[in-house]
This record gives sequence, C-alpha cells and structure tokens, in this order.
Amino acid sequence: KNEVEQSPQNLTAQEGEFITINCSYSVGISALHWLQQHPGGGIVSLFMLSSGKKKHGRLIATINIQEKHSSLHITASHPRDSAVYICAPSPASNYQLIWGAGTKLIIKP
Amino acid sequence: EPEVTQTPSHQVTQMGQEVILRCVPISNHLYFYWYRQILGQKVEFLVSFYNNEISEKSEIFDDQFSVERPDGSNFTLKIRSTKLEDSAMYFCASTGGGTYSYEQYFGPGTRLTVT
Repeated sequence: KNEVEQSPQNLTAQEGEFITINCSYSVGISALHWLQQHPGGGIVSLFMLSSGKKKHGRLIATINIQEKHSSLHITASHPRDSAVYICAPSPASNYQLIWGAGTKLIIKP
Repeated sequence: EPEVTQTPSHQVTQMGQEVILRCVPISNHLYFYWYRQILGQKVEFLVSFYNNEISEKSEIFDDQFSVERPDGSNFTLKIRSTKLEDSAMYFCASTGGGTYSYEQYFGPGTRLTVT
C-alpha cells in the first residue's frame, strides 16, 4: 500500500471552477507539503502545514492530522493553474519528503 | 529572492561513465537533498545531508552514488558508473531548518540522459 494516496489522478475543469485535490497518508508526520510541478519540470513549494489551514492568494490548503488527510483547493481556477500538484508528507523522524504520485490538473479556458 | 541553482541543465553521458551533478543551495540553509524523477514517474527521495554528512538515504542511493559539499556553497551528487536506468531528472533542494522554516526550495533540475 502506498504511503501517500492522492485523488483524483487527473482532473480537467473549466476556467473559474473551484478545484479540490485530496491527499491521504499513512505515516506519522511533522508537516505536509503541497508542491506544484510545471509542464517544464520545475517544482515549486506551495504550502507547508502541520495543522489547520493556510491560504495564499487563490490557493487554500487544509490538514486534519487525526484523519491523516489534507486537501488543496483552488478558487476561481485559471488556465495558468494547469500543472501537476503533489502532496508530500514529511515524516516525524526526519525532514525528507514522501512524494505522492501527483494530480494532473488541466484548466480549460 | 534567493534561489537554488543547478548545473548543467542537461547532461548526456555514456553508460559506465561518471557524472557529477552540481547544486548551489540557498546560502543560509542547513539541510540539503537530492531527489530524482524518472520520466512519467513520481519524484523519489535519494539522500539528505546535514552538518557535512548524510543524514538519511533511500534504497536507491547505493554505492554508485555519493554526495559532497566540497566548499561552503556547492552540493554535488556523483554517480560513479552510470546505468541506463539512471536516466532521470535530478532535483536538488535545500531548507533552513531549526529556527528557519522547513519549507524546501528546489532547483530547476538536471536532466540526465544515459545512452
């Protein structure tokens, strides 16, 4: 069983739609990261959170430590949001990331 | 804004050759990482480095791999005798840690092609 499960694997939506990407994990964590990988391959860290909720612009990340679940939301989605979104928990014992397989998001104009 | 840099952006090498991938982490960061991503697959952890030594490594990081911080700025990944299956994108990352954030900052990656 994978330590990190993301859903959906692929998501296509229309511009303006509210997007939700889910992540479930099985390990104990010190923090959970959400990252964005652009079509060219570059990786950008979006959020690092260990409890509650964080908001940055149109992006919102939430985490429920007890349920070992996190969600990434995008409000008013835009074609430039098209990318792969990756959930990566960081175990309590060290700071490495355990990478999810990613959710490929396509926003159509 | 400070950034992690990696060189070269693309390296082509023949099977059995040694390659060195170079990274310059953010200057006041303390923890350094190498990850790889085989085309079409998810990113995998290779190794973490702290206080001039390896702090954690994955099963992928066998005797063919080594890391070094030869001076105060560079962080290198060496593959001694490359195999076809080493072809991948290699990402370096750094984080401040401690009183700083554990948010990881990634370099743009080096695409390694082994022929």
